Amino acid sequence: QQQVKQSPQSLIVQKGGIPIINCAYENTAFDYFPWYQQFPGKGPALLIAIRPDVSEKKEGRFTISFNKSAKQFSLHIMDSQPGDSATYFCAASIRGTDKLIFGTGTRLQVFP
Amino acid sequence: GAVVSQHPSWVICKSGTSVKIECRSLDFQATTMFWYRQFPKQSLMLMATSNEGSKATYEQGVEKDKFLINHASLTLSTLTVTSAHPEDSSFYICSATPGQISYNEQFFGPGTRLTVL
Repeated sequence: QQQVKQSPQSLIVQKGGIPIINCAYENTAFDYFPWYQQFPGKGPALLIAIRPDVSEKKEGRFTISFNKSAKQFSLHIMDSQPGDSATYFCAASIRGTDKLIFGTGTRLQVFP
Repeated sequence: GAVVSQHPSWVICKSGTSVKIECRSLDFQATTMFWYRQFPKQSLMLMATSNEGSKATYEQGVEKDKFLINHASLTLSTLTVTSAHPEDSSFYICSATPGQISYNEQFFGPGTRLTVL
């Protein structure tokens, strides 16, 4: 019940495409859902995050869609660029704690 | 703002030695710091949570006598891998949260690559 399931494991798109990464959870006590971007040999960097009281949040080319009833959330990257090639992790945090439960990661490759 | 540093960025040691990794929040006070371990092409696995001035809380399966955590101040936490063995080779990443200022938000360090020969 503590898990966050992430798919797909890897994704290849052409420049300008819109990769979509999906995550699902079971625990209704999760109340914070961030997405992190990680380049090889580096620590994760926060991209965008959402709380369950909104269904969508957009920051620049990154959009989170959140479906509370389905317990699913997804990351959309608009106008993807080769520099977006990285591993993306979704995560969830339990209400009242700062602990993050991470998804398994999606390796994105954007070709020119 | 919200920068977290780690030192060293990489370390190679002989089996049986101990290695200390430092994690610092450079421009904020971290009420809580976290230590993660990441194997190649895998996700981050939380090892322990530490709060300044109190004992760390370890996740199930993590040996607290092997991975010693000290959160000495609001800007510094250290992870010591004691009597390291080749299976301890991994990428260790810390994160810090400002707590009430930015609820839930964790800022990650750049990671430390540990190789045990």
